[in-house]
Amino acid sequence: GAGVSQSPSNKVTEKGKDVELRCDPISGHTALYWYRQRLGQGLEFLIYFQGNSAPDKSGLPSDRFSAERTGESVSTLTIQRTQQEDSAVYLCASSSPGTTNFGPGTRLLVL
Amino acid sequence: GENVEQHPSTLSVQEGDSAVIKCTYSDSASNYFPWYKQELGKRPQLIIDIRSNVGEKKDQRIAVTLNKTAKHFSLHITETQPEDSAVYFCAARVHGSSNTGKLIFGQGTTLQVKP
Repeated sequence: GAGVSQSPSNKVTEKGKDVELRCDPISGHTALYWYRQRLGQGLEFLIYFQGNSAPDKSGLPSDRFSAERTGESVSTLTIQRTQQEDSAVYLCASSSPGTTNFGPGTRLLVL
Repeated sequence: GENVEQHPSTLSVQEGDSAVIKCTYSDSASNYFPWYKQELGKRPQLIIDIRSNVGEKKDQRIAVTLNKTAKHFSLHITETQPEDSAVYFCAARVHGSSNTGKLIFGQGTTLQVKP
């Protein structure tokens, strides 16, 4: 079946603009995660959804970052007033008991 | 807070040799430990995992060991091949409901296998 998909695959924006990143998880996966990966770095946890609620949003770096999930499916990660340090690959993953699958990521570049 | 430490950060081996990557975790309630391989520009791919009720798991050339008392786990790759070259990440699942708590990742190990 289809894996986790993300859009856009690449996004270039100007400092100060807002961006919205989308994740389509594997159908039936109730858990969904957002991670950030800076160039050459590890995976930094941002937020975790169980169904439509977010029991853990402890990794969101600032109040410029927010995420939502609707219909236990699609999730969007919004970054307001982007800064250059927001440049990174944003990875989404969805999970069922036993496995976690990553999407291809959105490569964000803030100029 | 929850933390996973991974060593070494880089590892270079000759083709055919073994490679070992080690991780320690801080949350004693962690119950699931996957390993991911990430090739340049690609998404992380699960290569092997282990649950807290077993001490070792093997899949062909790859094995993982877990020491719950010491809170550390290791990845062992035998008979390394050039295509094993990639960044490897360990992770620990912080206990959550429905077996789907968040994964905390180590910082990664860049493995280079020289032909």
